[in-house]
Amino acid sequence: DADVTQTPRNRITKTGKRIMLECSQTKGHDRMYWYRQDPGLGLRLIYYSFDVKDINKGEISDGYSVSRQAQAKFSLSLESAIPNQTALYFCATSEPASGGYNEQFFGPGTRLTVL
Amino acid sequence: DAKTTQPPSMDCAEGRAANLPCNHSTISGNEYVYWYRQIHSQGPQYIIHGLKNNETNEMASLIITEDRKSSTLILPHATLRDTAVYYCIVSHNTGNQFYFGTGTSLTVIP
Repeated sequence: DADVTQTPRNRITKTGKRIMLECSQTKGHDRMYWYRQDPGLGLRLIYYSFDVKDINKGEISDGYSVSRQAQAKFSLSLESAIPNQTALYFCATSEPASGGYNEQFFGPGTRLTVL
Repeated sequence: DAKTTQPPSMDCAEGRAANLPCNHSTISGNEYVYWYRQIHSQGPQYIIHGLKNNETNEMASLIITEDRKSSTLILPHATLRDTAVYYCIVSHNTGNQFYFGTGTSLTVIP
């Protein structure tokens, strides 16, 4: 079974709808992240969480909110979806190693289309 | 966190070494260099990381210049399955912010 799972894998919705993307992990990591990727571009950080009581905005948080329901679950919401939020969304987890580096493990992605 | 500069695309013959460069001239002393790759819209996959010294693992080698302002990822014997976008990232050891940039699209040619 995959260590980091995302649901749904594909979603088509209409402008103005509320959408929730979910991420679950079995790695036991405290840190979780949400990224979006637009065609031909790299990933950009939306939100990140270092534990269940810690939520931080990333580079592009406007129009998004998150919820860290438990150590293993981190959800991303679009309160009122708009077409320019059409993108590929990735969840990731990490746990800093004793050497100080911080490898991130990524889920398979959710392809969201807003019409 | 420091930003990176990579060539947008490269080709490599199958079986040959692929050398992917990265410039990170504003890197600070406590920032690591990470390399990830992304195969066809899948989730990015960790390859290797380093701080000051050169590193090697089962996937690749990482050569970091003495002044740490640039690095090179080496895939010693490229295969068709190595065709992917390769991202060079520099990040503080707390690792909370990864800036992926646009990466290098490597095409391995038969």
